[in-house]
Amino acid sequence: DTEVTQTPKHLVMGMTNKKSLKCEQHMGHRAMYWYKQKAKKPPELMFVYSYEKLSINESVPSRFSPECPNSSLLNLHLHALQPEDSALYLCASSIQTSGSSHEQFFGPGTRLTVL
Amino acid sequence: AQSVTQLDSHVSVSEGTPVLLRCNYSSSYSPSLFWYVQHPNKGLQLLLKYTSAATLVKGINGFEAEFKKSETSFHLTKPSAHMSDAAEYFCVRNRDDKIIFGKGTRLHILP
Repeated sequence: DTEVTQTPKHLVMGMTNKKSLKCEQHMGHRAMYWYKQKAKKPPELMFVYSYEKLSINESVPSRFSPECPNSSLLNLHLHALQPEDSALYLCASSIQTSGSSHEQFFGPGTRLTVL
Repeated sequence: AQSVTQLDSHVSVSEGTPVLLRCNYSSSYSPSLFWYVQHPNKGLQLLLKYTSAATLVKGINGFEAEFKKSETSFHLTKPSAHMSDAAEYFCVRNRDDKIIFGKGTRLHILP
């Protein structure tokens, strides 16, 4: 299985809602990533987990809260989002973070709309 | 600063003609470089990667790229474009925990 799955595919939420995005991989990868992608822009790194520990937080607002329950799962909890947070949220995984030759495998993304 | 520069934001080619998407990198180290493709509202798919082995790298769907250290370039080519190649292409470099994306090149295929 060489796939990263993400649920839901689409999510519409109000600014007072709490929701979660989910990501799963069964490739035995020990690094997992969250990216935010606005239209016509490259993905922007948000968080990196290495061996289930948060290793990078790119100064993301606290209304985004990542969680890595185990080596196969990555969640992104959302609370009190703003309309400007509407974007495509991409999850990715790689064998590990160290060693620059390791490519990342991307999921299809969750299209988030904040009303 | 370590960066990746994609020289064209848009490229248009006719179906059946060659494709050239240009990428330059800046670094004092030998980088690992990748090309990813993204179709509309989809995730990114790896086309190919360079990791200091062969300088000519072959990827999926007929794409290849040549690493030229003297020119600090890693241009993506394909001999004959297909309509299904219309997408956004990202040149990416990787160092340790971070990957750095180029701004992307939108490839348009004309019938």
